[in-house]
Amino acid sequence: AQSVSQHNHHVILSEAASLELGCNYSYGGTVNLFWYVQYPGQHLQLLLKYFSGDPLVKGIKGFEAEFIKSKFSFNLRKPSVQWSDTAEYFCAVIGDYKLSFGAGTTVTVRA
Amino acid sequence: EADIYQTPRYLVIGTGKKITLECSQTMGHDKMYWYQQDPGMELHLIHYSYGVNSTEKGDLSSESTVSRIRTEHFPLTLESARPSHTSQYLCASSVTSGKESSYNEQFFGPGTRLTVL
Repeated sequence: AQSVSQHNHHVILSEAASLELGCNYSYGGTVNLFWYVQYPGQHLQLLLKYFSGDPLVKGIKGFEAEFIKSKFSFNLRKPSVQWSDTAEYFCAVIGDYKLSFGAGTTVTVRA
Repeated sequence: EADIYQTPRYLVIGTGKKITLECSQTMGHDKMYWYQQDPGMELHLIHYSYGVNSTEKGDLSSESTVSRIRTEHFPLTLESARPSHTSQYLCASSVTSGKESSYNEQFFGPGTRLTVL
């Protein structure tokens, strides 16, 4: 069975600070990895995804994530956050046919 | 515009009532899913469907049932609601595509927040 672990439950930071959210998964085979974001009052939407190739993937709104296979990790980063990045972020993985989510990290950016 | 819709967005109902949460998508996707999410917790898959007349139970045991009579429609029903069913229910869809970049990407609806008194 696959599982996803997100390291931080709630992160609070100031505008222009750098953000890194940790995500580790457990699954022995080939995986597809995702980061989803849910802004207040909005749908869950895809931020970025990794299927194969370059382990450094770039998503929308200046986010990027790096897949490190040896560490079973897929950490999300943004060099300089904005107030509008306040949201809940979910890491997800498909190993077998099912999408498994982490518990989510609430990010609060203070102006 | 292609999208995925859920109704109602919010529902407060008494114990013992039968309820149906609606989910429709206009994206032509063959796969559809129902997730349950409690505050601060991960999403748990409760039902999924690979196409018309296909339904399967997910990881989290649920007393709800689903049906898939039409490709675009995947309603979830609770025959007798209980306070333990209070949660947010998210519907999603995806398509099995020849393009690797589309494979397995799931699109989510806005969710239904259910409160059972």
